Amino acid sequence: DQQVKQNSPSLSVQEGRISILNCDYTNSMFDYFLWYKKYPAEGPTFLISISSIKDKNEDGRFTVFLNKSAKHLSLHIVPSQPGDSAVYFCAASDTSYDKVIFGPGTSLSVIP
Amino acid sequence: DAGVTQSPTHLIKTRGQQVTLRCSPKSGHDTVSWYQQALGQGPQFIFQYYEEEERQRGNFPDRFSGHQFPNYSSELNVNALLLGDSALYLCASSLGSANTEAFFGQGTRLTVV
Repeated sequence: DQQVKQNSPSLSVQEGRISILNCDYTNSMFDYFLWYKKYPAEGPTFLISISSIKDKNEDGRFTVFLNKSAKHLSLHIVPSQPGDSAVYFCAASDTSYDKVIFGPGTSLSVIP
Repeated sequence: DAGVTQSPTHLIKTRGQQVTLRCSPKSGHDTVSWYQQALGQGPQFIFQYYEEEERQRGNFPDRFSGHQFPNYSSELNVNALLLGDSALYLCASSLGSANTEAFFGQGTRLTVV
């Protein structure tokens, strides 16, 4: 049973345009959400997070939106750059159980 | 600051053997989590160690065990290896609870033949 879903295995975007990566979750107990970026041959790197008490968090070119009623979150990257090409993982945690569940990832390609 | 370091980077083992993977957390971090990442999938939570005790565990059999030392470094042990244990094993360190960003090592690529 996949509690965190990323239904798009891959996404291609032109440089300078917006990249939107989506994530859905099924466990209503999740109260903290994170996005990680992973380059080949490296471990995942933390990108941005959001608590369930917020619906938006912004950090430079990266914004995460949370829709609790729909159990959906999205990561917006504006403007997209070729260096953003990587696999992006959505992750969620239930702080009462203190473990993080990852989605399967979306591979983003930003075309120059 | 060396960040999270894992050893070895690559390992080949035979079915039925046992393996030990090692992780040194980022300086100042006291919590270590282990993940298994199969090809094309996201990291799957194995377990987490805090204050030398297993604090949380994912859906992995008892063949997977671990240890945390007083200096916060950690080991992951897998007994009776199966072909399906072939994966990238990631160690992540953090300070305190899951509500903080985790720093990952580069992983150990385990191949079981």
